[in-house]
Amino acid sequence: KQEVTQIPAALSVPEGENLVLNCSFTDSAIYNLQWFRQDPGKGLTSLLLIQSSQREQTSGRLNASLDKSSGRSTLYIAASQPGDSATYLCAVNSDSGAGSYQLTFGKGTKLSVIP
Amino acid sequence: NAGVTQTPKFRILKIGQSMTLQCTQDMNHNYMYWYRQDPGMGLKLIYYSVGAGITDKGEVPNGYNVSRSTTEDFPLRLELAAPSQTSVYFCATRGIAKNIQYFGAGTRLSVL
Repeated sequence: KQEVTQIPAALSVPEGENLVLNCSFTDSAIYNLQWFRQDPGKGLTSLLLIQSSQREQTSGRLNASLDKSSGRSTLYIAASQPGDSATYLCAVNSDSGAGSYQLTFGKGTKLSVIP
Repeated sequence: NAGVTQTPKFRILKIGQSMTLQCTQDMNHNYMYWYRQDPGMGLKLIYYSVGAGITDKGEVPNGYNVSRSTTEDFPLRLELAAPSQTSVYFCATRGIAKNIQYFGAGTRLSVL
C-alpha cells in the first residue's frame, strides 16, 4: 500500500526567503506526482504535475523535482511572499492494485510567510 | 466557467440522519472522485467513477453510497450518519487527456 509522508508538518519563514518542502513515498512504481495548494476553507488547486519519466517541472517561482528511485520529491519556492501562505499537499498517482490509478495524499505542510 | 460545484457548503446532521452531497461538473470529464479530509490529515478516497454507470470503492467506502447516472453528476449518499463521518468532503474530476484532478470547494459536514 502506497504511503506518502510530508516533512515538515509546518514551516514559518520571513518574506523573501527561498524554501523547500519535502515529500516521500514508499512505492516507487508511480504514474505521476502532483503538488497541490490548499487555502483555509477552500478546495485544492493543482500547482505542478510531474510524470514518472520526468525529473522536474517549473511554474513561475515554483520548481518541483522527482527522484522516483529513492521515492522523493521536493517543492522549491523562490523568493517567498505572504500570498504563498497555505497548506501544500503532495499526492502520488499509482496503481491501486485493482487496475486503476488513484491519488494517495500526504498530510501536507502548512506554510506561513511572515511579512 | 463553474468547473466542479459542490452543494451544500456546510451541513450539520444528527446521528442517524441521512443526506446527499451533490457534485456537478461542466468539464465533460469521465473520471470523478469523492474524498474526505479529516483535520490535519491528507485526503482519503471514498468512491470513484470512470464514467456514467460505473462506480467503484476507494480506501474508505463504509457508510457511503454513490451513483453516476450522468457524466455531470456524482452524488455521495450518507444513509445513517455517524460522528465518525464528521469531515470535509471534496469532489474532484479528471479528464482523459490531462492527468490532473480538479477539485470542488468542499462540503463541511458535522454529525452531532
